[in-house]
Amino acid sequence: DTEVTQTPKHLVMGMTNKKSLKCEQHMGHRAMYWYKQKAKKPPELMFVYSYEKLSINESVPSRFSPECPNSSLLNLHLHALQPEDSALYLCASSLQGWTAREAFFGQGTRLTVV
Amino acid sequence: DQQVKQNSPSLSVQEGRISILNCDYTNSMFDYFLWYKKYPAEGPTFLISISSIKDKNEDGRFTVFLNKSAKHLSLHIVPSQPGDSAVYFCAASLMRQAGTALIFGKGTTLSVSS
Repeated sequence: DTEVTQTPKHLVMGMTNKKSLKCEQHMGHRAMYWYKQKAKKPPELMFVYSYEKLSINESVPSRFSPECPNSSLLNLHLHALQPEDSALYLCASSLQGWTAREAFFGQGTRLTVV
Repeated sequence: DQQVKQNSPSLSVQEGRISILNCDYTNSMFDYFLWYKKYPAEGPTFLISISSIKDKNEDGRFTVFLNKSAKHLSLHIVPSQPGDSAVYFCAASLMRQAGTALIFGKGTTLSVSS
């Protein structure tokens, strides 16, 4: 099983709403990531969790709040977003270790902020 | 400053011929490189990787070449098939104390015509 599952696939939210994106993997990977991708741009790293602890935050605004409840789940809580936050949000996971850098991505959540 | 560069936004190739996608990087600390394929509205799919201790890695129709002195890598697809038409992202991996991050290039859109 090399699948990373993200829900929902599409999300439309108002600027005052609170919503959450969910990500799940059962590959035993201990590193999980959130990336953001705007149209015609490469994925940009937002957060890295390593062994369920937040290890990298790429200066992401606090209106994005990640959470890793266990080794298989990763959430991204959204609050008071702006229209410019509309993008494809990608979750990924990988093994840890020097020779195991391949990250496997989910299908993404297409977020529209209105 | 862009650390991973894919200078060709697009490439058109005929079916059966070789596709060569190029990638340059600036950070000499990168020690693992990956290629991903992406269809619209989907997450990137891992294709092939290479560590900095190698200069070539092959997997079926896909071969990645690494030239460390030139800070350049390339992906060769032979023979190209119409189903290979997608956006190809080059990514470089950096082992940081806090975790591993993938830095992506802007992507090259490959079109394979039959």
